[in-house]
Amino acid sequence: NAGVTQTPKFQVLKTGQSMTLQCAQDMNHNSMYWYRQDPGMGLRLIYYSASEGTTDKGEVPNGYNVSRLNKREFSLRLESAAPSQTSVYFCASSEGGSNSPLHFGNGTRLTVT
Amino acid sequence: AQRVTQPEKLLSVFKGAPVELKCNYSYSGSPELFWYVQYSRQRLQLLLRHISRESIKGFTADLNKGETSFHLKKPFAQEEDSAMYYCALTGSNYKLTFGKGTLLTVNP
Repeated sequence: NAGVTQTPKFQVLKTGQSMTLQCAQDMNHNSMYWYRQDPGMGLRLIYYSASEGTTDKGEVPNGYNVSRLNKREFSLRLESAAPSQTSVYFCASSEGGSNSPLHFGNGTRLTVT
Repeated sequence: AQRVTQPEKLLSVFKGAPVELKCNYSYSGSPELFWYVQYSRQRLQLLLRHISRESIKGFTADLNKGETSFHLKKPFAQEEDSAMYYCALTGSNYKLTFGKGTLLTVNP
């Protein structure tokens, strides 16, 4: 089992460019999440999908869109990148439920110039 | 609203010394609490959760509802414990809220 796989690992964008971060899990988990990690800010939830076919905003959704393509895949799209979106992005999945632990991907380091 | 506070950004101890990483939370219902750890160049991973009442790598954490705390403790720190530690909380909406993290350095 690969667990949670994110692509790409690194990306540099210019302001205004768009891109999609891909995430896939092979654990048959119901719930999937996108977080961003910034120094001194911890991890902040961008969007999550409690189950296939549903998505909800997290703490910092502005400037992002998501698609739960199927049970395995959950993508994050930046339509018009801004320097404030420079961050490390983590995808995670869980079985669902309040006491289910999250399984994280390795992260995508995004720089917007 | 749910909130997790980790008051220490940095914590430095010597090998063999006890270590306590503080975590306080704010939540009106009954929370589920977790500690996650991120070692250098590794992905974030679950360390322990309060519902399991387990000890992992010598670490324990007790939920104190009166003080709304979930401090992480280890009696004798090891150099390999050096990492970033995050306390996290889940409420009824299943969203996991993280604290800002504490970077633990264990010196030889």
